[in-house]
Amino acid sequence: NAGVTQTPKFRILKIGQSMTLQCTQDMNHNYMYWYRQDPGMGLKLIYYSVGAGITDKGEVPNGYNVSRSTTEDFPLRLELAAPSQTSVYFCASSYPHAGTGNQPQHFGDGTRLSIL
Amino acid sequence: GEDVEQSLFLSVREGDSSVINCTYTDSSSTYLYWYKQEPGAGLQLLTYIFSNMDMKQDQRLTVLLNKKDKHLSLRIADTQTGDSAIYFCADHAYSGAGSYQLTFGKGTKLSVIP
Repeated sequence: NAGVTQTPKFRILKIGQSMTLQCTQDMNHNYMYWYRQDPGMGLKLIYYSVGAGITDKGEVPNGYNVSRSTTEDFPLRLELAAPSQTSVYFCASSYPHAGTGNQPQHFGDGTRLSIL
Repeated sequence: GEDVEQSLFLSVREGDSSVINCTYTDSSSTYLYWYKQEPGAGLQLLTYIFSNMDMKQDQRLTVLLNKKDKHLSLRIADTQTGDSAIYFCADHAYSGAGSYQLTFGKGTKLSVIP
């Protein structure tokens, strides 16, 4: 049971390069999320998706794009990497959140991205 | 918007109890979660409490919720060196347009002294 799998685990990019962070889950979760974690700052939501073909912005979406063509995959794309995007990126997934339903998010192990 | 606050550091001796505190601002919270993050790893769900409960116990973990004061705490009994990690409080609340989201605190780094 793999859960949420993120690749790559580490990456160094030059300013202006682009890359895609991959995320896949095998739990048949409808909801998927991308967060970034900066030291001492907790997690900030970048984008989320409530199902295939549907994505929405979170708190810090600028500089990122996402797509959701399948239930399993939710890639995050950086088009023009900037030093401010140096961070640890976490993907998460969950079942749909009903008003009173407990549907915790399950996290991948993260991608550590440095932009120099 | 929603705000979740935690103290950043806590240091305890092995065998003592640890208490990690969290405050939140949103009145529409449904569930409150505690996640544990070990170095170099992702977030692992530790426990949770429904917003209409006062207390939940799960082996060495006790969660207390004071809904009036919007205060949540996590008590770890008989703290071990393996409990050293960062603990995140997260509030699951309605964010508008039929959507619920998790808001995380900045995390409390627990250091256990042998």
